[in-house]
Amino acid sequence: EVQLVESGGGLVQPGGSLRLSCAASGFTFSDHYMEWVRQAPGKGLEWVGRSRNKALSYTTEYAASVKGRFTISRDDAQKSLYLQMDNLRTEDTAIYYCVRTYCNGGNCYRFDYWGQGALVTVDS
Amino acid sequence: DIQLTQSPSFLSASVGDRVTITCRASQGISRSLSWYQQKPGKAPKLLIYAASTLQGGVPSRFSGSGSGTEFTLTISSLQPEDFATYYCQQLNSYPLTFGGGTKVEIK
Repeated sequence: EVQLVESGGGLVQPGGSLRLSCAASGFTFSDHYMEWVRQAPGKGLEWVGRSRNKALSYTTEYAASVKGRFTISRDDAQKSLYLQMDNLRTEDTAIYYCVRTYCNGGNCYRFDYWGQGALVTVDS
Repeated sequence: DIQLTQSPSFLSASVGDRVTITCRASQGISRSLSWYQQKPGKAPKLLIYAASTLQGGVPSRFSGSGSGTEFTLTISSLQPEDFATYYCQQLNSYPLTFGGGTKVEIK
């Protein structure tokens, strides 16, 4: 059974940093692209960024709203995905979801498994 | 960036109704569109990918169609467990984007 479990959420002051972790199980983690998606309270879904798999050298993509402040990394041996968030702003307050992506031949088709989410609150 | 516009943003329907939600893309995205269902306090759940392919385990009353810039999600006979918010998403180009959501409530 595929499982994604986020941890590391909490309350942080504006300008501060936080690191989210996502522990994966039930599939070959190194084969998959992985994503972070967030949802502000009462709002819609916003893609944060992507980590490609080992075959694509773990390259990353980011939304403009977080580029230069957030960094996605992964440890395939630990089957873990990370989101380092620096210089946090109040507008970064959201539930952050870790998501597995199904890709084949360079084309990505679906976000097929989602974690339960981790709440990050940025407030003074 | 590709904008996805969902309509309606809210709809009220009865059990047994046929429901259609539309997602329009600001530029062509071929068939690189997925649909998700989200219930309060829960993570989104994948329903449809590649515009019309039903994800495993999803009831057959859900269907998707479209290509290019216009897509639809149809629920053929609304069930009590289908009352939720639905989102479309494009995977054609960066940044990946979601529609604003359609909340389906009980009439």
